[in-house]
Amino acid sequence: NAGVTQTPKFQVLKTGQSMTLQCAQDMNHNSMYWYRQDPGMGLRLIYYSASEGTTDKGEVPNGYNVSRLNKREFSLRLESAAPSQTSVYFCASSALRDSEAFFGQGTRLTVV
Amino acid sequence: KNEVEQSPQNLTAQEGEFITINCSYSVGISALHWLQQHPGGGIVSLFMLSSGKKKHGRLIATINIQEKHSSLHITASHPRDSAVYICAVSRSTDKLIFGTGTRLQVFP
Repeated sequence: NAGVTQTPKFQVLKTGQSMTLQCAQDMNHNSMYWYRQDPGMGLRLIYYSASEGTTDKGEVPNGYNVSRLNKREFSLRLESAAPSQTSVYFCASSALRDSEAFFGQGTRLTVV
Repeated sequence: KNEVEQSPQNLTAQEGEFITINCSYSVGISALHWLQQHPGGGIVSLFMLSSGKKKHGRLIATINIQEKHSSLHITASHPRDSAVYICAVSRSTDKLIFGTGTRLQVFP
């Protein structure tokens, strides 16, 4: 019962480097999300995808790009990492709007 | 002012105590979610409710739509309940709005 799988769990990047965070769900969910979690703040939505082939900006999209490769996979790319992107990133999925959300284990990213 | 406010921010309890965490929101919602996050761990959905009350084991969640308020209760608390509890609301869009969480520590 994998649910939502994120990779990697930890990553350290140098300023200016690029990387892609991978997320896959095996629950046949339509909606997928990328959030970041910073100390003292609630989770903030970076991008979401309501269905395969569609993506939309969330609250904090600057510096990120996403790809909904197929129904299962939703990746988040940092083209040129900045220290302000040091955070814990969570991928989530849900069957429909307003249905229960399932989260991955998180990726702890440090940009030095 | 945040659209979703939780109280308290931090909570300590002795094992066996009854615990209440509160969540107030200022926007119209279609559902309210309670989530649990253990240190260094992922986030798990505990409840999703749009009215009334739900119970799962020692956890009880209630919501008062008129007062825009929800509570999460833990009966007979245990050290393994130590975690951050997050309230989130969903609206007519796909997006969840999150509170900043309540950090609970239960001591033996």
